[in-house]
Parts: sequence; structure tokens; C-alpha cells
Amino acid sequence: GAGVSQTPSNKVTEKGKYVELRCDPISGHTALYWYRQSLGQGPEFLIYFQGTGAADDSGLPNDRFFAVRPEGSVSTLKIQRTERGDSAVYLCASSLRASGRGVDEQFFGPGTRLTVL
Amino acid sequence: SQQGEEDPQALSIQEGENATMNCSYKTSINNLQWYRQNSGRGLVHLILIRSNEREKHSGRLRVTLDTSKKSSSLLITASRAADTASYFCATDDFQGNSGGSNYKLTFGKGTLLTVNP
Repeated sequence: GAGVSQTPSNKVTEKGKYVELRCDPISGHTALYWYRQSLGQGPEFLIYFQGTGAADDSGLPNDRFFAVRPEGSVSTLKIQRTERGDSAVYLCASSLRASGRGVDEQFFGPGTRLTVL
Repeated sequence: SQQGEEDPQALSIQEGENATMNCSYKTSINNLQWYRQNSGRGLVHLILIRSNEREKHSGRLRVTLDTSKKSSSLLITASRAADTASYFCATDDFQGNSGGSNYKLTFGKGTLLTVNP
């Protein structure tokens, strides 16, 4: 079956512009995560959805970042008034569920490389 | 902030040798996971070990967990050139005080493993 897909694979934008990054999780996975990865670093948690609701958005750096998952499947990460410091690879992951025994195995997409000029 | 810290930051070995990477973390966990990231590719889940487990095997991989020392190790035996990648440990964060679990996965900075043919 298909894995997690993300579009676009690359996005170049100018400072101050608005961008949307899309994630298609594995079918049937109710848990969806967004991460951001800078060069030489590990992925940094941004937000977690269980179904349609954002169960934990504590990793969003500020109110310029927002994510939605209106039907419990596809998710969109939205960044307003982009800044050069937002340049990074944005990763999406999904898992079957977030069980009562902690975080299960996550399946990652290839990422969207965002460059803010 | 990053919970897991891998050691060493970089490791270079010859094909056929074993590679050992270590990970330390700070807070109580439910699970600890190891992921691999090849250059230009997404993250791939390798193995998950639960807090009540001490050792786990998967093919050429062996993972240990010492919750008293808050540390884990990943051993890759009989390494191959295709094992060249960055390896990350990732932990969830058990919030025992609230009676629930935090489903956020926190990654370390990774160990860059190079296996020379």
C-alpha cells in the first residue's frame, strides 16, 4: 500500500509570504504528526492530531504556524508571514493510533523542503 | 528542547564490523524507538522497545534499554555499506503525574554512521 505522501517536495518562497504544506497519511491511521528538521538536527515535534482534533500543538513555534485535519485524513500545515528562520524540512508522520502505552511506530513521509528567501 | 542525545555524533567503520550507538534521555518514558535516515530520504522506523523491556532483537539489530540510567544502545552487527545513514533515538514522555501519557515523540540529534566498503 501507499506510504505517507507530502506535497510539494520542495517549496521556495519569499519572506513574508504564506505557504501551505500538505500531508496524506497512510489510510486508516488515526494519529498524524508534523515535525520540522533543520540541517544536522533531529526532527522537532510541532503538532499531533488524533482524528480531526489537534491533541497537542505545544511544538508550534508561534501563532504564524497553524495546522488542520478537517476530515481526519489529509492534513495541511499553514505558515503565515514566512521568515528565513522557517527554512527547514517539514516532515509528516502517521501511526495507527496513539495507544495508552505511549507513542507507537510512526511512518514518515519524504518531507517538504521549505526555503524562505 | 531535545530529550535524547546520541553518542557518538559520528562513527566511521569498515564493512563487516559492528557499530554501537548510544542514547541518553532525561525523563521517564513509555517507549524508546530508533529510526534511520538515509541521505535525501525520509525516516524509517527500526525498532521500538518498551520501558519494561531490557533487550530486543531485529535481524542484525540489537537494542538495550536501561531505565535506571535513562540510556539505550543500538548495535548493528556485520555492518554493510547500505547501513550508512543517520540514526536517531526517539522517546515519548510519560506524564505519570497527570495519570496520562504524552504522545509527543522527541528525537535526539542523531549519530552519523559511515560504513566503508
